[in-house]
Amino acid sequence: DADVTQTPRNRITKTGKRIMLECSQTKGHDRMYWYRQDPGLGLRLIYYSFDVKDINKGEISDGYSVSRQAQAKFSLSLESAIPNQTALYFCATSEPGGESGANVLTFGAGSRLTVL
Amino acid sequence: GNSVTQMEGPVTLSEEAFLTINCTYTATGYPSLFWYVQYPGEGLQLLLKATKADDKGSNKGFEATYRKETTSFHLEKGSVQVSDSAVYFCAHGGATNKLIFGTGTLLAVQP
Repeated sequence: DADVTQTPRNRITKTGKRIMLECSQTKGHDRMYWYRQDPGLGLRLIYYSFDVKDINKGEISDGYSVSRQAQAKFSLSLESAIPNQTALYFCATSEPGGESGANVLTFGAGSRLTVL
Repeated sequence: GNSVTQMEGPVTLSEEAFLTINCTYTATGYPSLFWYVQYPGEGLQLLLKATKADDKGSNKGFEATYRKETTSFHLEKGSVQVSDSAVYFCAHGGATNKLIFGTGTLLAVQP
């Protein structure tokens, strides 16, 4: 099984619908992240969580919410999906950065969302 | 502010050609630097990293050297293969673990 599992892998939905993307990990990492990938824009951070009781907004959190249900689970919700939220979404995990700075991220395989 | 700039693609090369993908960054302090690779239909995975100035990261024949004086971390490989075709992302990050990614460079290697 993959270290970081995302479901669903593909989803097509309509404008205004509520969508949840789920992420679970077996790495035992405290830190989890949601990124969005768009062509020509790279990866942009939506939300991140450094432990179960910690939730932080990233650079593009508007229109999204998250829930950290357990150390191993971090879900991303779109309360009312709109077409410009069509993108590839990645969940990632990491250990805390040490003296050398940021630690390595482990990514899931991605969830492709299309909003019509 | 913090940012990463990498050369735009696509980069198209013949097999066994030399590869360079440029990456420069702006950051406060001296962050760790990374190259991630994304193969078709997959998530990103770490290719190599360097944590301080003059460090050289290497993996699978790829290399990149942390150049503080030019704020660069260019990716190189002496002889590319078709299997190297992927999107390559440069990134930097500090102790907060909030990596800043470049926009990605698509590499296509033709036989």
